[in-house]
Amino acid sequence: EPEVTQTPSHQVTQMGQEVILRCVPISNHLYFYWYRQILGQKVEFLVSFYNNEISEKSEIFDDQFSVERPDGSNFTLKIRSTKLEDSAMYFCASSDQYNQPQHFGDGTRLSIL
Amino acid sequence: EDKVVQSPLSLVVHEGDTVTLNCSYEVTNFRSLLWYKQEKKAPTFLFMLTSSGIEKKSGRLSSILDKKELFSILNITATQTGDSAVYLCAVYISSGSARQLTFGSGTQLTVLP
Repeated sequence: EPEVTQTPSHQVTQMGQEVILRCVPISNHLYFYWYRQILGQKVEFLVSFYNNEISEKSEIFDDQFSVERPDGSNFTLKIRSTKLEDSAMYFCASSDQYNQPQHFGDGTRLSIL
Repeated sequence: EDKVVQSPLSLVVHEGDTVTLNCSYEVTNFRSLLWYKQEKKAPTFLFMLTSSGIEKKSGRLSSILDKKELFSILNITATQTGDSAVYLCAVYISSGSARQLTFGSGTQLTVLP
């Protein structure tokens, strides 16, 4: 069964450094998303992406965050200058239509030191 | 503010028991409600409910939506240890052409042998 893949599974970074989290969505999907889950808290929406542009973003998704689809298969989340509070599990998801279920990757655990 | 509330927060049962998990919501621009199962990593999709009163079933799992009372239930019959997981309820809300999932806190289900 097709799946969303995310790399790396765990990233440890010093505060202030830039990180790029990578995702390969399901191949025929057109809608892409990033969510995060701080330990012990709810899964929170960050951003949705369609047709090479951001469709919607949450208040969390401020200027330090950016997303990109650099080629036909990858979808990336960049955090420019990481803060301690960015430590979380980051999930990528994709769907084939905007009103269809989103399918999630296994996540990247980001630890900021 | 959009709100999705799940109850109970945790539940411990023995194999063979039947459980009912609850999800209530208060959101603007409701489109559909989804249930996910989260074991170690990725939330895996279970059901998407759009219409009231229509039960969705998959094996021992079933779910139904009440759009008048703004809640959904997820039933699991004849529970097995493999059902142990966090069950997440999420609501699709729309803003223009974009959709995002708003999640509840989840119900931690533990099934003892």
